[in-house]
Amino acid sequence: AQKITQTQPGMFVQEKEAVTLDCTYDTSDPSYGLFWYKQPSSGEMIFLIYQGSYDQQNATEGRYSLNFQKARKSANLVISASQLGDSAMYFCAMRDGFTAGGTSYGKLTFGQGTILTVHP
Amino acid sequence: GAGVSQSPRYKVAKRGQDVALRCDPISGHVSLFWYQQALGQGPEFLTYFQNEAQLDKSGLPSDRFFAERPEGSVSTLKIQRTQQEDSAVYLCASSRRRAGVYEQYFGPGTRLTVT
Repeated sequence: AQKITQTQPGMFVQEKEAVTLDCTYDTSDPSYGLFWYKQPSSGEMIFLIYQGSYDQQNATEGRYSLNFQKARKSANLVISASQLGDSAMYFCAMRDGFTAGGTSYGKLTFGQGTILTVHP
Repeated sequence: GAGVSQSPRYKVAKRGQDVALRCDPISGHVSLFWYQQALGQGPEFLTYFQNEAQLDKSGLPSDRFFAERPEGSVSTLKIQRTQQEDSAVYLCASSRRRAGVYEQYFGPGTRLTVT
């Protein structure tokens, strides 16, 4: 069974510094995708970044980058130049080979989350 | 509206009552998911629709939970005879495939409290 592990219940960072949020995963499927979502106190899940298992390069989206180490099964999120508005819960999630009707449909398995607090 | 909407945002039910939670996905999104998020935890998959067909309901915790999407757009998650352990945020997401990525767009959730 697929599993996502986030070992940091909480992280603190100073404004304008970089922070790394850890994520490890376990799957036997060779084709999978890894996602990071941000959940502010309002509750909505906001998509940040995606990495496919066959992607050769690490994904980047603005201040977010994903440090993908396939052999170690880790997909850490790096946030550069932290801002006060980055304070939120962050979830790592994985999509693996679930299919229905003959096509893969993107069912997500989430980790437990990491609460990030950015200090001024 | 451009995003996924859910109603009600908050629901308080007495134990034993039936509740119905509504999800309006982004127009044109074929895929729709329901997740349950307990306090302080990550969301857990409940069920998946492709258009009006419910193709995966493996995450529904008991036969008190029922979901439908009769016309392939709006979906309703119904919980019968609610129990305290049903208290959670229920998230709906709709999805499209863009550049090979199944990007899921989440609604704001419905916070259900069973007293």
